[in-house]
Amino acid sequence: DQQVKQNSPSLSVQEGRISILNCDYTNSMFDYFLWYKKYPAEGPTFLISISSIKDKNEDGRFTVFLNKSAKHLSLHIVPSQPGDSAVYFCAAGGSQGNLIFGKGTKLSVKP
Amino acid sequence: NAGVMQNPRHLVRRRGQEARLRCSPMKGHSHVYWYRQLPEEGLKFMVYLQKENIIDESGMPKERFSAEFPKEGPSILRIQQVVRGDSAAYFCASSRTGLDRFYNEQFFGPGTRLTVL
Repeated sequence: DQQVKQNSPSLSVQEGRISILNCDYTNSMFDYFLWYKKYPAEGPTFLISISSIKDKNEDGRFTVFLNKSAKHLSLHIVPSQPGDSAVYFCAAGGSQGNLIFGKGTKLSVKP
Repeated sequence: NAGVMQNPRHLVRRRGQEARLRCSPMKGHSHVYWYRQLPEEGLKFMVYLQKENIIDESGMPKERFSAEFPKEGPSILRIQQVVRGDSAAYFCASSRTGLDRFYNEQFFGPGTRLTVL
């Protein structure tokens, strides 16, 4: 029973265009959401987070949108760069402190 | 400021042996989390510890797995009598606080890749 779902295992985007990574969740009790980026053989690196009381958070080229009624969030990267190629994990957190991760989306940004 | 450190990076064990994975959190962080990632899967929460206390072990298998975070020294994830299904990447994360939930950003170590022969 997956509480956090990333339904696209992979995404390919041209350099300079927008990358949109999607994430759905089932538990309305989650308090905050995070996006992590992971390169092979490395640990996940924190990218950006959003509290459940907000609907948008922006940090440079990265913007996360939260639609609570649809239980959906998305990460926008614009403009996309080849160095953004990695696996992106969506994660949700609640009062217990642990994070629940999706299975990840592999982003490939082609020059 | 060093990040989260894990060692060893790679660990090979034969079935029935014990595996010990170590994690040193970031300086100033008192909350440690262990996650396991199987191939083609996301990270699965195992256990959440503060110094000398286990806060949440709901993701830990009931047998063979244990974790500690002593007053001094790193956090240890211990797997006794390993089986092939234990082969995975084990990630440790730390956070400054678990109480202020919005700022509970968890920073991950590079992981330990356990291979059971």
